Amino acid sequence: DIQMTQSPSSLSASVGDRVTITCRASQGIRNDLGWYQQKPGKAPKRLIYAAASLQSGVPSRFSGSGSGTEFTLTISSLQPEDFATYYCLQYNSYPFTFGPGTKVDIK
Amino acid sequence: EVQLVESGGNLVQPGGSLRLSCAASGFTSSDYHMDWVRQAPGKGLEWVGRSRSKANSYTTEYAASVKGRFTISRDDSKNSLYLQMISLQSEDTAVYYCARGVGYWGQGTQVTVSS
Repeated sequence: DIQMTQSPSSLSASVGDRVTITCRASQGIRNDLGWYQQKPGKAPKRLIYAAASLQSGVPSRFSGSGSGTEFTLTISSLQPEDFATYYCLQYNSYPFTFGPGTKVDIK
Repeated sequence: EVQLVESGGNLVQPGGSLRLSCAASGFTSSDYHMDWVRQAPGKGLEWVGRSRSKANSYTTEYAASVKGRFTISRDDSKNSLYLQMISLQSEDTAVYYCARGVGYWGQGTQVTVSS
């Protein structure tokens, strides 16, 4: 199975900050990676697919990059509604695997 | 508008069975791969399994943790997806989400396995 790691596991940031979250795969997954945002008690929402493609309706302050084994999610200017937990998901091979999550909270 | 509504979650005793349903609207579910994902209390997300599209003969894949105990099926006439779960264990306690190709997700249904 492909193992996914994320760093950091949590971070504290202020409104307006630039935030970067990294996801690493234990083997190459091309660009078969998605990023998800989850707020407490809610279903996850996909932000990015194919590593760098913005899901329809998602604000442009979210961006993704990377290929192979290393990927990043960047929030260019953190907004109050962005405080949440973020997960990456590889869908290159079965079983699909999620990263452990990065919790972004208010500084 | 794409909508997925899960139902069927409940409290069940260890060793018991349960069938979850996922009603799709706004699209034809048979045209898409459909997934089940779960989240145990206070934990991260775990992919459970996939039913490929009709064009891919509805073939299935499962996580090792559920293989042989969980079965994904469909009913095209109801535009619905199902997750049949048997031999349930406490570790299966989670919110279960269905998703259209891991892109669009429902709101989830709670399954609690406890005596």
